[in-house]
Amino acid sequence: DIQMTQSPLSLSASVGDRVTITCRASQSIITYLNWYQQKPGKAPRLLIYGVSNLQSGVPSRFSGSGSGTDFSLTITSLQPEDFAIYSCQQSYTNQFNFGPGTKVSIK
Amino acid sequence: QVTLKESGPALVKPSQTLTLTCTFSGFSLSTTGMRVNWIRQPPGKALEWLARVDWDDDKFYKTSLKARLTISKDTSKNQVVLTMTNMDPEDTATYYCARTQLHATGIHFDYWGQGNMVTVSS
Repeated sequence: DIQMTQSPLSLSASVGDRVTITCRASQSIITYLNWYQQKPGKAPRLLIYGVSNLQSGVPSRFSGSGSGTDFSLTITSLQPEDFAIYSCQQSYTNQFNFGPGTKVSIK
Repeated sequence: QVTLKESGPALVKPSQTLTLTCTFSGFSLSTTGMRVNWIRQPPGKALEWLARVDWDDDKFYKTSLKARLTISKDTSKNQVVLTMTNMDPEDTATYYCARTQLHATGIHFDYWGQGNMVTVSS
């Protein structure tokens, strides 16, 4: 089973900051990596699929990169609506494991 | 417009069987490439994929829960049903259904239901 880890698990940042979240897979998942945003009491929202493809309607301040086992999500200029939990998810195998999530909160 | 909505009990007793229904619109599960999944999230914890049913009735399950899960579809009703047997308090979670499509970049969950919170308690 492929394990997904994220770092940090939480961070505090200010509006306008550049934020980077890292996701690591326990084995190569090539580029089968997606990112989701989740706000309290809400369902997750797909942000990025296939490492770097922005889902329709997602602002361009979100971007993704990586391959193999190491991936990152970057928010170039944090906005008030971006404070949320961000989770990665692999689809290299049919078990679709998610990472533990990274909570981005207001400093 | 694609929508999904989960329905089912809010409370089940330990050892009981949970039955959840996902009713969707805006797409057909008879269309090549369409898939519906069940994913859960215990309070304060990570998302956990559970099961998937495909347009061609292929079914996939989380390995560690396979013995307890059954997923089925009713294409005419636009519904997908998940049953989980022998419920335990550790199964307390919000259960989501989510759509995926066949895509060159792999499986990603592009539309989600609002979730159905299930508490397992006597």
